[in-house]
Amino acid sequence: KQEVTQIPAALSVPEGENLVLNCSFTDSAIYNLQWFRQDPGKGLTSLLLIQSSQREQTSGRLNASLDKSSGRSTLYIAASQPGDSATYLCAVRPKRNTGFQKLVFGTGTRLLVSP
Amino acid sequence: EPEVTQTPSHQVTQMGQEVILRCVPISNHLYFYWYRQILGQKVEFLVSFYNNEISEKSEIFDDQFSVERPDGSNFTLKIRSTKLEDSAMYFCASATTGQPNNEQFFGPGTRLTVL
Repeated sequence: KQEVTQIPAALSVPEGENLVLNCSFTDSAIYNLQWFRQDPGKGLTSLLLIQSSQREQTSGRLNASLDKSSGRSTLYIAASQPGDSATYLCAVRPKRNTGFQKLVFGTGTRLLVSP
Repeated sequence: EPEVTQTPSHQVTQMGQEVILRCVPISNHLYFYWYRQILGQKVEFLVSFYNNEISEKSEIFDDQFSVERPDGSNFTLKIRSTKLEDSAMYFCASATTGQPNNEQFFGPGTRLTVL
């Protein structure tokens, strides 16, 4: 059964720092991995989608990498801003034991960027 | 930009009552999903729906739950007799196709509180 873990669970940094969020998954048989942002009490905003054949994706100050064989992904946020404060979730689309529709989510990293 | 919408944003109900959560997926999307997030826990897949049929469901999606596309725009999740443990944030998502490399787009969620 696919399990997704994110570390750290919480992170507090001063504005301007570059930071890395980690996501690991137990089964490398995935179609893709998606990073989301969740603001308190709000919905899920998709940030980046990396297909299993890709190594990384970039959007603005965000860069996500995928190492499928080791079951890891990182989300790199450059020059962090207070507006980046949110919970960041990663989710994988597993290939095994599934009808290929579901996403399996991690518990998230709660990020606080202070001015 | 098209987006998934959900109503209501917050629903409070008494234990044992039926609730219907509503979603309007993105207009040209054909696959629809429900996920839930109990407070402090992971986002969990409930069900996927295509062509008026359930295409995949999780162990959570028991006989208490049902989904329907009553017209060309709405997608609903019904919980027949709510329990305290059904209290959660419920997210609807949609995708253009069910291809596993396709991105799912999430709505803002409905917070269900069962008293």
